[in-house]
Amino acid sequence: AQKITQTQPGMFVQEKEAVTLDCTYDTSDPSYGLFWYKQPSSGEMIFLIYQGSYDQQNATEGRYSLNFQKARKSANLVISASQLGDSAMYFCAMREDQGAQKLVFGQGTRLTINP
Amino acid sequence: GAGVSQSPSNKVTEKGKDVELRCDPISGHTALYWYRQSLGQGLEFLIYFQGNSAPDKSGLPSDRFSAERTGGSVSTLTIQRTQQEDSAVYLCASSLARQFNQPQHFGDGTRLSIL
Repeated sequence: AQKITQTQPGMFVQEKEAVTLDCTYDTSDPSYGLFWYKQPSSGEMIFLIYQGSYDQQNATEGRYSLNFQKARKSANLVISASQLGDSAMYFCAMREDQGAQKLVFGQGTRLTINP
Repeated sequence: GAGVSQSPSNKVTEKGKDVELRCDPISGHTALYWYRQSLGQGLEFLIYFQGNSAPDKSGLPSDRFSAERTGGSVSTLTIQRTQQEDSAVYLCASSLARQFNQPQHFGDGTRLSIL
């Protein structure tokens, strides 16, 4: 069964610093996708970045990058030059190639950016 | 372009009443998913639609929960005889296809409170 683990319930970072949010996963499916979502206090779930299991390079989207270590089954999100608006819940999620391909989410990390 | 639209945004009802939650996916998205987000359980999958059919209903917590999708577009999640444990945020997501590399895009959710 697929599983996502986020071990950091909360993180506090100074504005303009880089931050790494940890995510490890478990699956027996060789084909899968890893996603990061941001959920501000307003509640919407915003898609940030995607990494496929066959991708050779780490994904990047603006200030977001994904440190994908397939052998270790980790997919950490790196946010560079953090901003106050980055304060939110961050969820790591996985979608397998089998079945409904539903998203399975980790428990989330609450990131707080301090001025 | 228009994103996923959910209504109502908030619903307060008495225990035992029936409720209907609506989701209007992004135009052209064939895959539609319902999730539930609650404090104790995190984000959990409820049901998946491909077109108008629901090949995976495995996440529905009881037979009080049902959902349908018509015209390959709008979906309705119905909860009959609501209980207090049904209180949660119900999120709808759609994706262009069911492939694992397609991100799911979420609506703002319906916050359901059972008195």
